[in-house]
Amino acid sequence: EPEVTQTPSHQVTQMGQEVILRCVPISNHLYFYWYRQILGQKVEFLVSFYNNEISEKSEIFDDQFSVERPDGSNFTLKIRSTKLEDSAMYFCASSDRGNSPLHFGNGTRLTVT
Amino acid sequence: GQSLEQPSEVTAVEGAIVQINCTYQTSGFYGLSWYQQHDGGAPTFLSYNGLDGLEETGRFSSFLSRSDSYGYLLLQELQMKDSASYFCAANMDTGRRALTFGSGTRLQVQP
Repeated sequence: EPEVTQTPSHQVTQMGQEVILRCVPISNHLYFYWYRQILGQKVEFLVSFYNNEISEKSEIFDDQFSVERPDGSNFTLKIRSTKLEDSAMYFCASSDRGNSPLHFGNGTRLTVT
Repeated sequence: GQSLEQPSEVTAVEGAIVQINCTYQTSGFYGLSWYQQHDGGAPTFLSYNGLDGLEETGRFSSFLSRSDSYGYLLLQELQMKDSASYFCAANMDTGRRALTFGSGTRLQVQP
């Protein structure tokens, strides 16, 4: 069964550094998402992406965040200047239609020190 | 305000039936989804209700009542592997299709 893949599985970075989290969505999916989950808390929506542009974003997704689909397969989340509170598990997800089930990747655990 | 409310924890024994409730307040609503997440794992889709009524998928069923802004996930013949967190999710605003997740219900299945 096709799956969403994310790399790296764990990223440690120093406060103020830039990080790029990478995702390869399921190949025939058209909608892409980033969610994050602080340890022990709920899954929080960050941003959705469709037709090469952001379709929705949450209040969390401020100017330090950006997303890009640099080629036909990858979908990236960039955090420009990381803060301690950015430490979380970041999940990429994709779906084939706007209201269809989300398929999540296994996540990237980001630790900001 | 807009919210998704579900109990924080539920405990049940193997073989039993458990119901996890979810109440919601949204200004726009397409349907209610349920996701399962094991510790350290990714959320995985379980069920979706776009219309009122019961949807059954094997041991899992989900119910929606739009008039009551209420839904539930029913797990039957509980197994140890069902120990996980369960999240209800919905879009929270008219024209907003991205899913917002509830805070999750941690289900502990005991032998």
